[in-house]
Amino acid sequence: AQSVTQLGSHVSVSEGALVLLRCNYSSSVPPYLFWYVQYPNQGLQLLLKYTSAATLVKGINGFEAEFKKSETSFHLTKPSAHMRDAAEYFCAVSDFEERYGGSQGNLIFGKGTKLSVKP
Amino acid sequence: NAGVTQTPKFQVLKTGQSMTLQCAQDMNHEYMSWYRQDPGMGLRLIHYSVGAGITDQGEVPNGYNVSRSTTEDFPLRLLSAAPSQTSVYFCASSYVGGRDGTNTGELFFGEGSRLTVL
Repeated sequence: AQSVTQLGSHVSVSEGALVLLRCNYSSSVPPYLFWYVQYPNQGLQLLLKYTSAATLVKGINGFEAEFKKSETSFHLTKPSAHMRDAAEYFCAVSDFEERYGGSQGNLIFGKGTKLSVKP
Repeated sequence: NAGVTQTPKFQVLKTGQSMTLQCAQDMNHEYMSWYRQDPGMGLRLIHYSVGAGITDQGEVPNGYNVSRSTTEDFPLRLLSAAPSQTSVYFCASSYVGGRDGTNTGELFFGEGSRLTVL
């Protein structure tokens, strides 16, 4: 069964510093991987996704993630943090299985990492 | 561009009361799902549906019922609310298809419904 582990429930960085949020996955099939962001009192918004094309994926707001099969990792990075990046970030894997005549995936989420950005 | 619409946004219930959280999407998505979000637990799948008339259980289905009579709507029913169901509930939808790229599993989320059970 697929699963996701996010290392660190809270990460704090200074404005302008590197952001690194860690995600490791477990999957029995080639995975589709996602990072979502949730700002306070809002729903989840897709940051980026990996669907077996390029291993380095660029997303919105300057974020990117690299798929490393050998390490089963999909860490999220941003070279320079901004105050507006303060939010909770969720890594997710799609458990693609044959259901009802077609392949379809339920997303399995990690427990989230709350990013704080200090001025 | 409504996307996924959830109502109500806030609700307070007493233990034992029943209620329905509404979810509607206007993107013609076959797949719809309900998640609950609790602090430190991430999002956990309650129920999902791959089309009208088809529903299935997720990770935490107990205490919740769903039905899917139309493509657009996927209501979540709490028959007898319990304090353990205090949570933020998210509805999400996506396309259904094969791994040829027609469905990447990307979900489109509503803004959430915050439920408190006293």
